[in-house]
Amino acid sequence: GESVGLHLPTLSVQEGDNSIINCAYSNSASDYFIWYKQESGKGPQFIIDIRSNMDKRQGQRVTVLLNKTVKHLSLQIAATQPGDSAVYFCADFGAGSYQLTFGKGTKLSVIP
Amino acid sequence: GAGVSQSPSNKVTEKGKDVELRCDPISGHTALYWYRQRLGQGLEFLIYFQGNSAPDKSGLPSDRFSAERTGESVSTLTIQRTQQEDSAVYLCASSSYGATNEKLFFGSGTQLSVL
Repeated sequence: GESVGLHLPTLSVQEGDNSIINCAYSNSASDYFIWYKQESGKGPQFIIDIRSNMDKRQGQRVTVLLNKTVKHLSLQIAATQPGDSAVYFCADFGAGSYQLTFGKGTKLSVIP
Repeated sequence: GAGVSQSPSNKVTEKGKDVELRCDPISGHTALYWYRQRLGQGLEFLIYFQGNSAPDKSGLPSDRFSAERTGESVSTLTIQRTQQEDSAVYLCASSSYGATNEKLFFGSGTQLSVL
């Protein structure tokens, strides 16, 4: 079946550097994408979302880029901080489905 | 409350016992979801409730799993005759209308351990 997946399971970055987390999706009909952050022992926390009529959206220190041509999504975190250490998931709704589908996640570790 | 509330936060049970997990969604949210997250894995969809519509139960892994929701409020996920492979974090989420362009708000989950 169609699914959302991630390229890298782990990512280590130095504090202050920028982080880029990638995600490939297979459902060409998907029109809404969400990035979640999950810290240990907690539920997923909404970070940022983007609709398919956009290719870029910025939040506070985070930017999401959407490339519909190659069905690729990325999350950029500027000036990464220790508090950014967590697992990051991308997610989308399949065509005609109310099931929000998650990838396996990327673990981001920030080195002080 | 301000967010999605789940209880208990931790549950340890013996194989073969039944367990009930509770979820209080954000007040006013009509849609409620249950997900399962095994250790180190992503989230697996279990069930979706939207208002008074028939729930989408397509993600329930077996007939030992069931869920109920009272109106647009509390939901209970029941696992009968628990097995060790049921050990996981069970996450509940809610959204305003259950639309496919709405973000979900998650609770902190119930960590279920089946011995």
